[in-house]
Parts: sequence; C-alpha cells; structure tokens
Amino acid sequence: DTAVSQTPKYLVTQMGNDKSIKCEQNLGHDTMYWYKQDSKKFLKIMFSYNNKELIINETVPNRFSPKSPDKAHLNLHINSLELGDSAVYFCASSDRDRYGYTFGSGTRLTVV
Amino acid sequence: DAKTTQPTSMDCAEGRAANLPCNHSTISGNEYVYWYRQIHSQGPQYIIHGLKNNETNEMASLIITEDRKSSTLILPHATLRDTAVYYCIVTVAPQTGGFKTIFGAGTRLFVKA
Repeated sequence: DTAVSQTPKYLVTQMGNDKSIKCEQNLGHDTMYWYKQDSKKFLKIMFSYNNKELIINETVPNRFSPKSPDKAHLNLHINSLELGDSAVYFCASSDRDRYGYTFGSGTRLTVV
Repeated sequence: DAKTTQPTSMDCAEGRAANLPCNHSTISGNEYVYWYRQIHSQGPQYIIHGLKNNETNEMASLIITEDRKSSTLILPHATLRDTAVYYCIVTVAPQTGGFKTIFGAGTRLFVKA
C-alpha cells in the first residue's frame, strides 16, 4: 500500500527519557513534515524537510531533533521528555503537484 | 497564509447534503483553498482543493465565490462515516519546501441517522 507509515502507534514513557518516532513514506514525495496535535486538538507544524534538507523549524525546543536519512524517511528524536510533550505526533508528506498533505496515522505519546 | 473562519460545529441528517462554509476574506491571489478532514484518532485526510473554479471529485464538491472570499465544501450524500472535524485552509501552492499550513479549530460535523 502506498502510504505514510509511522511507528510506534502508542508510546508511554517516563519523564526524562529519550525516545524516537519513525516515519516512512513510499509515495515518492519530496517533502516530509512533523505536526503536533495537543489536547486542545490544534495541529501545529514542527518541522519540514525537503530532499533531506531542513526547511521549516518552528519554535520547537532543542530537545526535539528531526533526522532525515533519505527523502523517504523523517524520524523524530526527543530528549529529556517532559509532561508537556504528551500529544499525538503526525508525520506527513507532500509533493509539488499541490495535492495537499498525506498524513500518517499518528503516534500518541504519553509522558508520565 | 490567510486566516479562515469556520463554524464550530454542524449537524446533518444521513443521506442529505452537508454544506460546510468557510470565510477567507484576506485570501491572496496566489493562495489555494484546501479542505481536509480528521476522523477521530486518525490522521487528517485531504479532500479537495481549488484556486478560482469550482471543483468536484469522488469525495466532495468545492464551491468558491467569485470574489474568493468564501467557499463551501459539499458532501452530496452524507453518511455516518463522514462524522469528523473538517478543516478549511488557505495556503500558497508548494514550491521548494512544501506547505507551511496552519490548521485552525475546524468544523465538527455530526451526521445523524
């Protein structure tokens, strides 16, 4: 299936831990993104990468570090997790054909 | 990106058309209108987009007013599975670097049997 897939789907971890979320797209898109959806359900862009190059970096703490080994993958590493990091994180991709984003199914991160 | 205004929630009877309005009075000439929806706990799903002309695809129709200051998404025969939050977004088409889309609160559509 052509899609954006992210793992894990659920992640429960303690404060202070370091964790990673992986994202892969097989759509041949040249741009990938990370979005965060908080408890109030607002979707906010965090990062975007175009052909492995960082394009957008919103005001996200340095504890969040995206890594793009190739244009089909964009992983998100989070250091020293805090309670406020609890949210659903969505990976997405897009291409120049203007047909919007394709989103993954999300990773629900709970920090306890 | 221009700001959009949508009603907080709407109801629709199953089988009837759902008409979801969106105001975008500050839209620029090179900005497109995009619609997405998010069904509970899933990732947002692209529905349709347009620049000036009305558009139709297998999911929905998009009607854009002549002055482009507002638009309406039409689901012609709503089903229970169309219950979701619908986001209207105005953004320039991606060049290098893709979209920098801001998702607002959207409209929560309840389709009732």
